[in-house]
Amino acid sequence: DTAVSQTPKYLVTQMGNDKSIKCEQNLGHDTMYWYKQDSKKFLKIMFSYNNKELIINETVPNRFSPKSPDKAHLNLHINSLELGDSAVYFCASSQAMGALYEQYFGPGTRLTVT
Amino acid sequence: GNSVTQMEGPVTLSEEAFLTINCTYTATGYPSLFWYVQYPGEGLQLLLKATKADDKGSNKGFEATYRKETTSFHLEKGSVQVSDSAVYFCALSGDAGGTSYGKLTFGQGTILTVHP
Repeated sequence: DTAVSQTPKYLVTQMGNDKSIKCEQNLGHDTMYWYKQDSKKFLKIMFSYNNKELIINETVPNRFSPKSPDKAHLNLHINSLELGDSAVYFCASSQAMGALYEQYFGPGTRLTVT
Repeated sequence: GNSVTQMEGPVTLSEEAFLTINCTYTATGYPSLFWYVQYPGEGLQLLLKATKADDKGSNKGFEATYRKETTSFHLEKGSVQVSDSAVYFCALSGDAGGTSYGKLTFGQGTILTVHP
């Protein structure tokens, strides 16, 4: 059973399009995250939700909009895609907020914008 | 703000060699420190962690000690295997009450390749 799953695994699209990435966790966790990993492997948090409430919202263009329909799902919608959005996007979850709670990562979605 | 600096990679070793990957951090208060590992084509997995000064985290033969006096959390393994080839990330999470509470700040990652 996959703990944190993401769909799709690969996404190739053209500039200007709108796309969504979906994330689901079956761990019963309260907190979910989105991270972006660039071509140099650098990882940076984008958003965090706790019990469907937005807690962390880093300096991310407002073309990126997360949505949490329930505690087990956190989707990422991206409008007007740009070349610089090409990256691997990781979803993660943890039992609760805080350093004592391990974050479990999904396998990633590789987004390529052409 | 918080930051994490890892040694430049990539690191290439022969099997059974000793591994050190340096990690230093800048943070206020008492952050928790982590090492995550990313195997090819996969997401990150927690390798080990330490939540207070002088704590030693260990797992799968890897160790790291939280040194507050030197703001470091270096990763070590006495004898690496080919299967240890991966990208290793040092990370910190701010303590309660800070603006970075619950938020992982990562280093730039170090690519490790182990040859037979």
